[in-house]
Amino acid sequence: NAGVTQTPKFQVLKTGQSMTLQCAQDMNHNSMYWYRQDPGMGLRLIYYSASEGTTDKGEVPNGYNVSRLNKREFSLRLESAAPSQTSVYFCASSEVPVREQYFGPGTRLTVT
Amino acid sequence: QKEVEQNSGPLSVPEGAIASLNCTYSDRVSQSFFWYRQYSGKSPELIMSIYSNGDKEDGRFTAQLNKASQYVSLLIRDSQPSDSATYLCAVNVGLNAGNNRKLIWGLGTSLAVNP
Repeated sequence: NAGVTQTPKFQVLKTGQSMTLQCAQDMNHNSMYWYRQDPGMGLRLIYYSASEGTTDKGEVPNGYNVSRLNKREFSLRLESAAPSQTSVYFCASSEVPVREQYFGPGTRLTVT
Repeated sequence: QKEVEQNSGPLSVPEGAIASLNCTYSDRVSQSFFWYRQYSGKSPELIMSIYSNGDKEDGRFTAQLNKASQYVSLLIRDSQPSDSATYLCAVNVGLNAGNNRKLIWGLGTSLAVNP
């Protein structure tokens, strides 16, 4: 089992460009999450999907959109990237909300 | 405001010693608690989960939960240089409306194990 996979691993964008971060899990988990991690700020929840067909805002949703494509896949879209979105993005999944979460390897995004 | 607090460290211990990491939380109805390890440049990795008061042991790791005092701790016995990492505490909290609960993360404690 691959667990949680994320693509791409690294990305550099110019301000105003758009991109989609992809996440997939093969653990048959119901819940999936997108976090960003910045120095001194810790892990902050952007959006989550408690189950297939539902999505909800987390702590820092502005500037992002998500799609729960199916039970396996949860994507994060930046419509118009800003330098403040330079960060490391992690996708995670869990069997049900607030149980153990398992993380993907992360995407390091730089917006210039 | 639901909070999870950890001492940022760095906590420095000699090889072979016991490392003690602490976490306090503010939500009295939290039910599940997790410790993660994160190496520099890597993603968080689950070490332990604990749901009831008392101790839970897994190899060199022991998680301790005291709900009355609202703290959870992680002990690492026989610390090794490979244990040098940032340790994150995560606690489930409830939102003001309904039963929609999610994890809140501490900022982490940096541990350095010196050979």
